[in-house]
Amino acid sequence: DTAVSQTPKYLVTQMGNDKSIKCEQNLGHDTMYWYKQDSKKFLKIMFSYNNKELIINETVPNRFSPKSPDKAHLNLHINSLELGDSAVYFCASSQVTGGTQQFFGPGTRLTVL
Amino acid sequence: KQEVTQIPAALSVPEGENLVLNCSFTDSAIYNLQWFRQDPGKGLTSLLLIQSSQREQTSGRLNASLDKSSGRSTLYIAASQPGDSATYLCAVRGGQNFVFGPGTRLSVLP
Repeated sequence: DTAVSQTPKYLVTQMGNDKSIKCEQNLGHDTMYWYKQDSKKFLKIMFSYNNKELIINETVPNRFSPKSPDKAHLNLHINSLELGDSAVYFCASSQVTGGTQQFFGPGTRLTVL
Repeated sequence: KQEVTQIPAALSVPEGENLVLNCSFTDSAIYNLQWFRQDPGKGLTSLLLIQSSQREQTSGRLNASLDKSSGRSTLYIAASQPGDSATYLCAVRGGQNFVFGPGTRLSVLP
């Protein structure tokens, strides 16, 4: 009964390809997030999304786009992959209200060759 | 813009010691602060959540305090064990998003 799940766990691909990472949460949360953890292990938010609002971190290239087919899913699509995109990507979720916890998925390790 | 720092960056202690990890944030207008643990190659596990109106939270050997006005939180680990070895991250929530600190890498030596 994984609360937040991601697939795939590992993704190895060539530069220039387009790829997607899927995320699902079964917690009934309103808001989902994508984070990037780089080689220095620093977690930076990329997107937060609920039914009404998409907030994009201004540093995220427009090659990255979140896609939400429904409230329980937020997939991350990446176009024209670059070497610098290699990182671990984490999905997370929380209630939209301010006082609640954030729960994380296990991460997807993306390697761009 | 919220900035979160953590000191020390790394810490190595012998088993059994009590230790304190520090987290500082620049904007005191927060909803809550959350402490996480990350094991190598793994995701994040939530340890403690402190609401902005609270001063501390306890779970087992862990105690987290929050001083919102001074922009600080501490995570106290009592009687450390080798299994506590991990990276500990704090995250503050203001609005909808969370801002993470860079983490403290803890090694507890048997």
